[in-house]
Amino acid sequence: SQTIHQWPATLVQPVGSPLSLECTVEGTSNPNLYWYRQAAGRGLQLLFYSVGIGQISSEVPQNLSASRPQDRQFILSSKKLLLSDSGFYLCAWSVGGAGPDTQYFGPGTRLTVL
Amino acid sequence: QKEVEQNSGPLSVPEGAIASLNCTYSDRGSQSFFWYRQYSGKSPELIMSIYSNGDKEDGRFTAQLNKASQYVSLLIRDSQPSDSATYLCAVNTGGFKTIFGAGTRLFVKA
Repeated sequence: SQTIHQWPATLVQPVGSPLSLECTVEGTSNPNLYWYRQAAGRGLQLLFYSVGIGQISSEVPQNLSASRPQDRQFILSSKKLLLSDSGFYLCAWSVGGAGPDTQYFGPGTRLTVL
Repeated sequence: QKEVEQNSGPLSVPEGAIASLNCTYSDRGSQSFFWYRQYSGKSPELIMSIYSNGDKEDGRFTAQLNKASQYVSLLIRDSQPSDSATYLCAVNTGGFKTIFGAGTRLFVKA
């Protein structure tokens, strides 16, 4: 069966500090990978998605970036965090290729920027 | 702008009742529809997916889709206190773009 991991689970960072969140998927090959952010009481905002190694599509221009150095690894980064970057960051995966894009979420990282 | 709308709630139902959650979407070309449950502080978990008009049942859950009316709903029969959560409606508008509603909070009173 497939498993998706995210770490860290919680993070408190000062404004202007760098960020690196990691997501890995087990039990599947060539998944589609996604990064979402959920602000308090809000819906999920798609930040990035990737259909393969090195292939990143950005949905929202901002101070975040993503990378996919390995097939089942997805990393979200920032060089300088803003207060507005606080939120619940969710990584998700779906089966690669054609077909309904059913997404499954990892446990999430709760980021607080102070 | 493609949108998915849900009543934020809270929707409060007594234990054992049917909870009815509704969602409308703006993109008439949408093909895939999903319901997720999200407990407070946790990540969303998939409850059901539906792709064709009509009803789809899975245990106590029934998803209903009406593409002509651009409407999708989730019925929860015999509601339990453990069903208390936020329910997210999600609509795939093509390719890798899945739009999530802000969710409806459900409270099931014991």
